[in-house]
Amino acid sequence: KAGVTQTPRYLIKTRGQQVTLSCSPISGHRSVSWYQQTPGQGLQFLFEYFSETQRNKGNFPGRFSGRQFSNSRSEMNVSTLELGDSALYLCASSLVGGQAGTEAFFGQGTRLTVV
Amino acid sequence: KQEVTQIPAALSVPEGENLVLNCSFTDSAIYNLQWFRQDPGKGLTSLLLIQSSQREQTSGRLNASLDKSSGRSTLYIAASQPGDSATYLCAVDNYGQNFVFGPGTRLSVLP
Repeated sequence: KAGVTQTPRYLIKTRGQQVTLSCSPISGHRSVSWYQQTPGQGLQFLFEYFSETQRNKGNFPGRFSGRQFSNSRSEMNVSTLELGDSALYLCASSLVGGQAGTEAFFGQGTRLTVV
Repeated sequence: KQEVTQIPAALSVPEGENLVLNCSFTDSAIYNLQWFRQDPGKGLTSLLLIQSSQREQTSGRLNASLDKSSGRSTLYIAASQPGDSATYLCAVDNYGQNFVFGPGTRLSVLP
């Protein structure tokens, strides 16, 4: 059974550009969440999607957005990149999310470097 | 607002020792608590999931306990090995809203 797949693994972008990251959840999982990990702030929640609808959103500016497709694959987009957006972006999938006993599985992450 | 802390921040032990990692959270209104390990530059690997109605879970050399009323969880690692060296993260699922993570404990097991 394939795990959570994130692409690309590494990205280098210039300030002001935009970037799109992709996440393919485990087959059958309908909930996909995104997290940003930095040395200073640790792991912070970005947003969660379930059945193509954003259910929850963290405290990030509107430059961060996402979507989920009918096959549960999800993308997140960051526009007008800033140096502070350099981070490891992690995607998590779970069957339905938000229920007792629902285990979350993470991908290997996308390392974004903004120069 | 849920806050999660982990003690110690770093730990170095000789191979073969048993050890305990601690996690504390401020709001007991949780569905689940999950322990993860993270190797440098990698994603998170799920170790154990404890539902709020459970007291502990075991997997191999790992045992995690949960005391929801006091807002505490511990991860016990028996007979530690160099391959256990990693950062261990505690995360609480806040009634389905999202995971709130602790800062992690960086573990080094010396051969």
